[in-house]
Amino acid sequence: GEDVEQSLFLSVREGDSSVINCTYTDSSSTYLYWYKQEPGAGLQLLTYIFSNMDMKQDQRLTVLLNKKDKHLSLRIADTQTGDSAIYFCAESIGNTDKLIFGTGTRLQVFP
Amino acid sequence: DAGVIQSPRHEVTEMGQEVTLRCKPISGHNSLFWYRQTMMRGLELLIYFNNNVPIDDSGMPEDRFSAKMPNASFSTLKIQPSEPRDSAVYFCASSPRLAGVTGELFFGEGSRLTVL
Repeated sequence: GEDVEQSLFLSVREGDSSVINCTYTDSSSTYLYWYKQEPGAGLQLLTYIFSNMDMKQDQRLTVLLNKKDKHLSLRIADTQTGDSAIYFCAESIGNTDKLIFGTGTRLQVFP
Repeated sequence: DAGVIQSPRHEVTEMGQEVTLRCKPISGHNSLFWYRQTMMRGLELLIYFNNNVPIDDSGMPEDRFSAKMPNASFSTLKIQPSEPRDSAVYFCASSPRLAGVTGELFFGEGSRLTVL
């Protein structure tokens, strides 16, 4: 069945890079997404990558996609305390509107 | 636009009571989703609608859960009777469905339900 897996926690020092990893199962996914959830709020789209791309860069964010291994990663350069949040990886299921989310990775940034 | 609006933001109720959660999607969005978030299971898709029609309700846990979308601007998620294990944050999200546009979901702020 559909499953998206992430590690639960990541702790980094301010100024360092953070790398959050995700594995997914649906090889027909058209898009893969990274969402961010701040405390007490809903999820907001951070970035996405089309399934025929290997990499996408957007300011401090770099998304890498390895379709063969069904592995997605999000790199945040120069991580700031404001980046502390839960980060969710998500895959679209076939050509549907349905998104399946991972368990979320809680990123904690310390000074 | 005001974004996706959910109510109530917080609800505390006793086991056995009926709970109704409400959602107003972003105007013009064709798809609406209900998710449930818990520490143990993360973010689970319960049901989603397209053009007010339920498309996939395979995530609805039991017959105690029901969802409706009587028109394009309103949806409800009802739990009757509620149980302590239903305690969670329930999110509503909506999405435009335009050719060439990614399936980005716009989330509400959630309804935190506590069943005692």
